Amino acid sequence: GNSVTQMEGPVTLSEEAFLTINCTYTATGYPSLFWYVQYPGEGLQLLLKATKADDKGSNKGFEATYRKETTSFHLEKGSVQVSDSAVYFCALIYNFNKFYFGSGTKLNVKP
Amino acid sequence: NAGVTQTPKFQVLKTGQSMTLQCAQDMNHNSMYWYRQDPGMGLRLIYYSASEGTTDKGEVPNGYNVSRLNKREFSLRLESAAPSQTSVYFCASSELVTGGGGYTFGSGTRLTVV
Repeated sequence: GNSVTQMEGPVTLSEEAFLTINCTYTATGYPSLFWYVQYPGEGLQLLLKATKADDKGSNKGFEATYRKETTSFHLEKGSVQVSDSAVYFCALIYNFNKFYFGSGTKLNVKP
Repeated sequence: NAGVTQTPKFQVLKTGQSMTLQCAQDMNHNSMYWYRQDPGMGLRLIYYSASEGTTDKGEVPNGYNVSRLNKREFSLRLESAAPSQTSVYFCASSELVTGGGGYTFGSGTRLTVV
């Protein structure tokens, strides 16, 4: 079946460190891939997306590349800030409303 | 532009009580969704409405009912609340029925059933 697997958190980094949050997926066909971010007490916000292989999604300094050969969509940022502290969800959508979320990775950025 | 508005934000129920969670979107989106979020389990789809007048079950529909009142509003009802329904509930909407453009989420309803 379809699924999304994220690295377990929490991930704790110092400000200006490099961030990678791993995400791999299992899907038949060609899903669209997403990263969502959830700040404390809020709903999920779309961070970036990629709809086909080799697409790179980017927003607010975050990037992720759709890698079909490794079925991955890892989230990266070159220099994190304290304000990036949140929970990050990888997700895929496949075939008419089949939206699968990972379990989330909590990021803590210390000053 | 409010996006997706959910009410209430917090609720405590006793086992067996009923309640309705309200959701409204002002983006003229066709599709709306209800998810629950539990620790370590990510988000799970309860029900969705691909368009006005239609509703379908998601992954975890038992114990819930929904109503797509009009294009803007999609409510979730718990007829007889159980402690297992303690969770954070999110409503979402999307322009396309496939959700390919991504969802817009509400800020959530934190429900505790005692």
